[in-house]
Amino acid sequence: EPEVTQTPSHQVTQMGQEVILRCVPISNHLYFYWYRQILGQKVEFLVSFYNNEISEKSEIFDDQFSVERPDGSNFTLKIRSTKLEDSAMYFCASSIPKGIHEQFFGPGTRLTVL
Amino acid sequence: KQEVTQIPAALSVPEGENLVLNCSFTDSAIYNLQWFRQDPGKGLTSLLLIQSSQREQTSGRLNASLDKSSGRSTLYIAASQPGDSATYLCAVRRVYNFNKFYFGSGTKLNVKP
Repeated sequence: EPEVTQTPSHQVTQMGQEVILRCVPISNHLYFYWYRQILGQKVEFLVSFYNNEISEKSEIFDDQFSVERPDGSNFTLKIRSTKLEDSAMYFCASSIPKGIHEQFFGPGTRLTVL
Repeated sequence: KQEVTQIPAALSVPEGENLVLNCSFTDSAIYNLQWFRQDPGKGLTSLLLIQSSQREQTSGRLNASLDKSSGRSTLYIAASQPGDSATYLCAVRRVYNFNKFYFGSGTKLNVKP
């Protein structure tokens, strides 16, 4: 069964460093999403991406964040200069733009900023 | 804005018990509602998805109901097992913007052998 994959599973970085989290969505999906979950808190929407552009972003998704689909298979989330409060689990999801638009979630990347 | 609340925050039951987890949402104009399971430090496993036009969905020992007018959903787990121990998350998408999930804080379930 097709699934969303994410790499790495765990990323440790120093404050101020740039990180790139990678996702491979399900192959025929055209909508892509990033969510994050700070430890002990709710899962929060960050951004949705369709047709090579951001379709919606939350207030969390400021200028330090960017997303890209660099090729036909990957979808990335970049954090330019990480802060301690960026430590969280980041989930990628994808969906097809028809039917019930069900989102399929990846296993997540745990980001730890020291 | 959509607020999703789940009660109780934590629940501990003996094995074999039937149990109900509750989810409420403030905006009844939902596109669908989904229940997820999350094991500690792990990803989100989809359990049941209920479209706004549906009243309930069943999968094995799980049954989820939806009452849009009152802004409530319940997840019923029959004959609970220690392997059911996890956090259960409720999430809704709105009609006006079905690209975006609003999640509850979850109910942490512990099923004791």
